[in-house]
Amino acid sequence: DVKVTQSSRYLVKRTGEKVFLECVQDMDHENMFWYRQDPGLGLRLIYFSYDVKMKEKGDIPEGYSVSREKKERFSLILESASTNQTSMYLCASSPGGQGSPLHFGNGTRLTVT
Amino acid sequence: AQSVTQPDIHITVSEGASLELRCNYSYGATPYLFWYVQSPGQGLQLLLKYFSGDTLVQGIKGFEAEFKRSQSSFNLRKPSVHWSDAAEYFCAVGKGAAGNKLTFGGGTRVLVKP
Repeated sequence: DVKVTQSSRYLVKRTGEKVFLECVQDMDHENMFWYRQDPGLGLRLIYFSYDVKMKEKGDIPEGYSVSREKKERFSLILESASTNQTSMYLCASSPGGQGSPLHFGNGTRLTVT
Repeated sequence: AQSVTQPDIHITVSEGASLELRCNYSYGATPYLFWYVQSPGQGLQLLLKYFSGDTLVQGIKGFEAEFKRSQSSFNLRKPSVHWSDAAEYFCAVGKGAAGNKLTFGGGTRVLVKP
């Protein structure tokens, strides 16, 4: 089974802090994704990566950046955390190819105070 | 731009009763369509997907979904609900050349009464 591991289940950070959310997958997948999940809004794509050092903006990239130095690891960075970034963050990976499904981690609930 | 609408935010159903969750999408081309389920405290798990061919697709846990192009719908059904089906369900449409950049609906939370 594919395993997508997010390093923290819960995080509490202060406004203005730089925040790193880490995600690791163990199936050599090409594609990795970061979504945020908010009640009533479903999941919204922040960034995705289709190869090492390659990244592309999703639907809501403002205030975020990403890093993919190794194939198995995809980091989401909040350069200066704000209270409106309080949310559940979900990482996912997929092998690529037509319509290949996403495999999700269990999420990191981030609270910015 | 594509969008996905799940009109029902909450649905309560009795155990053993049938369940239908609605999903409508807006997309210019033939869509890749997915249903995912999220149990409390968990990530999302794929229930089923549709790309082409037979418009009635079978998934895991006894779920099925029907693609209706004329109605731009992809509704999820289960004939007899179990208490373990209590969860949040998300419909998604895939975009991009490979169809794996997903746009999700807002989700439907299902409560199961004993």
